[in-house]
Amino acid sequence: ETGVTQSPTHLIKTRGQQVTLRCSSQSGHNTVSWYQQALGQGPQFIFQYYREEENGRGNFPPRFSGLQFPNYSSELNVNALELDDSALYLCASSSPPGQGASPLHFGNGTRLTVT
Amino acid sequence: DQQVKQNSPSLSVQEGRISILNCDYTNSMFDYFLWYKKYPAEGPTFLISISSIKDKNEDGRFTVFLNKSAKHLSLHIVPSQPGDSAVYFCAAPLGRTGNQFYFGTGTSLTVIP
Repeated sequence: ETGVTQSPTHLIKTRGQQVTLRCSSQSGHNTVSWYQQALGQGPQFIFQYYREEENGRGNFPPRFSGLQFPNYSSELNVNALELDDSALYLCASSSPPGQGASPLHFGNGTRLTVT
Repeated sequence: DQQVKQNSPSLSVQEGRISILNCDYTNSMFDYFLWYKKYPAEGPTFLISISSIKDKNEDGRFTVFLNKSAKHLSLHIVPSQPGDSAVYFCAAPLGRTGNQFYFGTGTSLTVIP
């Protein structure tokens, strides 16, 4: 069973630029969620993808967008980067929604620094 | 609006003693809770969960207690080991899907050899 892998591990961008982060989900898991973890904070839910469609979104502006592909991998795109977007971005795979309590399986994250 | 709160940013415990990590929540409709452990440069890993119909769940050295009237849960680690040094997050479900979560801000546990 392969785990969740994220790329790149680190990234430095300039304010106003755009960034794409990638995630390959754990085999057998067709649901992918993205979380933002700012320094000193807990992970904060950005959105979730299931069957290639967004299935729930947290309190993040539209410049945060995503995609899920037929192989269940996913991308997180952030446009017009702001300094406050500097954070660890975590991807997590899980069982499909609506099946009760379902722990998340996280990747090691992408550390994004916006200067 | 912080639905899940961990008020202790850090905790230090001697090896072999008990570690107690606390978590408070505001929504009485939460029907289960989870604890995650995170090492530096790694993603969080699932540790243990508890359903709201129970007041205790145990897995080896780890026990989670739930006090619904106080809207409080705690994670007990006995005996604590140096390898337990990590950041611990409690989490509660965001909605009815079962796999979207609120996370607390975390407690950094240091177990001193």
